[in-house]
Amino acid sequence: EAGVAQSPRYKIIEKRQSVAFWCNPISGHATLYWYQQILGQGPKLLIQFQNNGVVDDSQLPKDRFSAERLKGVDSTLKIQPAKLEDSAVYLCASSLQGNQPQHFGDGTRLSIL
Amino acid sequence: AQSVSQHNHHVILSEAASLELGCNYSYGGTVNLFWYVQYPGQHLQLLLKYFSGDPLVKGIKGFEAEFIKSKFSFNLRKPSVQWSDTAEYFCAVNAENYGQNFVFGPGTRLSVLP
Repeated sequence: EAGVAQSPRYKIIEKRQSVAFWCNPISGHATLYWYQQILGQGPKLLIQFQNNGVVDDSQLPKDRFSAERLKGVDSTLKIQPAKLEDSAVYLCASSLQGNQPQHFGDGTRLSIL
Repeated sequence: AQSVSQHNHHVILSEAASLELGCNYSYGGTVNLFWYVQYPGQHLQLLLKYFSGDPLVKGIKGFEAEFIKSKFSFNLRKPSVQWSDTAEYFCAVNAENYGQNFVFGPGTRLSVLP
């Protein structure tokens, strides 16, 4: 089966600019996750969708981060404006249902100058 | 708040040595437990999982993990490591009493010397 697709693979922007990441989950997976992984740390959940509804966004910095999954398939994560501390790898994952093993994409490495 | 700890930041072993990586979590109730691995340049992938039943679970590539409920632990083991096991290993917990979100540990980097 095709895996989780993410783009772009790399992005370099200056602070205060905006950036968007895209994720296409595995076909048929109802649950989609966005994680932030800072160098040397484990992935931190930012937001979890079940179909097109938000299950958990308690750790999403909502003043600057937003995410949507309008048709319950692919998803975008946006940061506006970016801060230096947002430098990280942004991972997308999907699973059949909420407590099932997740399949991860390759991630987007974001560098803020 | 939920938390997952992994005992070692970096483990260095020679080939054929035995491996045990520790994982502890901080909450009670029903938990689903996972170990993920990230090989250099690759994405995270599932090694093994525990939902219920036999607390000793076997995963891919000869890995196994034991769930000890009384110790809130889910340690990963392999009797004889290979150079190709060099990777970052992450423990993750999904506690059903806390919704469906996953909490990952900080990871343990394993370096296996040929």
